[in-house]
Amino acid sequence: AQSVTQLGSHVSVSEGALVLLRCNYSSSVPPYLFWYVQYPNQGLQLLLKYTTGATLVKGINGFEAEFKKSETSFHLTKPSAHMSDAAEYFCAVSYSGAGSYQLTFGKGTKLSVIP
Amino acid sequence: DTAVSQTPKYLVTQMGNDKSIKCEQNLGHDTMYWYKQDSKKFLKIMFSYNNKELIINETVPNRFSPKSPDKAHLNLHINSLELGDSAVYFCASSQMRGGFYEQYFGPGTRLTVT
Repeated sequence: AQSVTQLGSHVSVSEGALVLLRCNYSSSVPPYLFWYVQYPNQGLQLLLKYTTGATLVKGINGFEAEFKKSETSFHLTKPSAHMSDAAEYFCAVSYSGAGSYQLTFGKGTKLSVIP
Repeated sequence: DTAVSQTPKYLVTQMGNDKSIKCEQNLGHDTMYWYKQDSKKFLKIMFSYNNKELIINETVPNRFSPKSPDKAHLNLHINSLELGDSAVYFCASSQMRGGFYEQYFGPGTRLTVT
C-alpha cells in the first residue's frame, strides 16, 4: 500500500521568500511522484512529476522538487514566492506495475503569500 | 480548447433526487477517472475506466454509477442523493492506464445536497 504525508496543512510565506512544502511518501516499490496545484474554484494542474532518472525535477512557474529515496521525501520548493502562488498544493504517489493506475493524494497544503 | 470539461459546474438539489454529472475529454486519452473532494479538500478516487472498461471501483455506495459511452466520455449518475454526497467531484483523464502517466483534471462540479 502507498501513502503520502504532507507536513503542514497551511504554510504562510512573505512575497519574495523561499517556498518549501513538504511531502513524504510510503511505498513498497519504486514510486512515481507528482505535485499538483489547485487554485480557488478550479481543478488540479500538474506542477511537476518524478518517474525515473534525474532526482531534481523542474516544473512550471519556477517550482522544483527533489526525490530523496533515503528520506522518502519529495519536497516542493520555489526560491521566491509570488502572490499568484497562493493556492492549495497536493503531493501524490503512484508506482509501476499491476494496479498502478491509482494516484494516492496527500491531504494538501494551503500556501498563503503575504505582501 | 478545454482539455477536460465537466457539466454542470454547480449542482444544487434536494435529498432523494437523482442527478448526473457529465465529463468529456478531447485529449485522445484512454483512461478516465472520477474523484470526490470533501470539505477538507481531501481527494479520493471513486472510479476509473480504461477504454470504456471499469478498472477501479473503490468502496463507494452503489447509488453512484459511472457510465462510459465511449473513451472520451465518462458520466457519473447518483441516485437517492444524501446530505453526505455534498462535495466537489472531479473528472480526470490520462494518456493510458499506469502510474507513469499524469492525470489531467476538469474544473470540478460542486454538488450541494439540501
